[in-house]
Amino acid sequence: AQTVTQSQPEMSVQEAETVTLSCTYDTSESDYYLFWYKQPPSRQMILVIRQEAYKQQNATENRFSVNFQKAAKSFSLKISDSQLGDAAMYFCAYRSAYSGAGSYQLTFGKGTKLSVIP
Amino acid sequence: SQTIHQWPATLVQPVGSPLSLECTVEGTSNPNLYWYRQAAGRGLQLLFYSVGIGQISSEVPQNLSASRPQDRQFILSSKKLLLSDSGFYLCAWRRSSGELFFGEGSRLTVL
Repeated sequence: AQTVTQSQPEMSVQEAETVTLSCTYDTSESDYYLFWYKQPPSRQMILVIRQEAYKQQNATENRFSVNFQKAAKSFSLKISDSQLGDAAMYFCAYRSAYSGAGSYQLTFGKGTKLSVIP
Repeated sequence: SQTIHQWPATLVQPVGSPLSLECTVEGTSNPNLYWYRQAAGRGLQLLFYSVGIGQISSEVPQNLSASRPQDRQFILSSKKLLLSDSGFYLCAWRRSSGELFFGEGSRLTVL
């Protein structure tokens, strides 16, 4: 079974600075997807970024980018120019590419709480 | 554009009472729908998913059940709540590109 580990329960960053959230995963599969989700105090889960394992290029979405190291099974999220609105819980998630047609077995880490200091 | 809504947002229920959480999706047809539970300090646990009307798959044996009476409606139910059912419940639908999009969530407290 796949596992996702986020080793940083809490982190803080100064506004306008850059912060990196860590995520490692364990899998024996070669084809999969990785995601970062954000959960602000409003509690709605919002997709931040996704990465396909077969792509070597790191995904980027505006101020959010990932450092995907497939051999090391590492998938870190970098937030540049941090803003107050970035304060939230961030969850790393893994999804097998071999899931059945309906099953969407996202395996989540336990999350990292990010605080942004004005 | 597609939207997803779930209600109620907050619910406080006594042990042994019934439960009904509702989720609806708009702007898409025949979506794959999911119910997740998020317990304090943990990630998300998949409870049920549905690929169509009347089709429910359970991932975790428990005190809960799900139904899909209409294409864009997904309901999470229980006949008798347990204390351990407390948590934050999230409904989601899957986009054709593979990502999940979540509703606002429902906070259930069982006393």
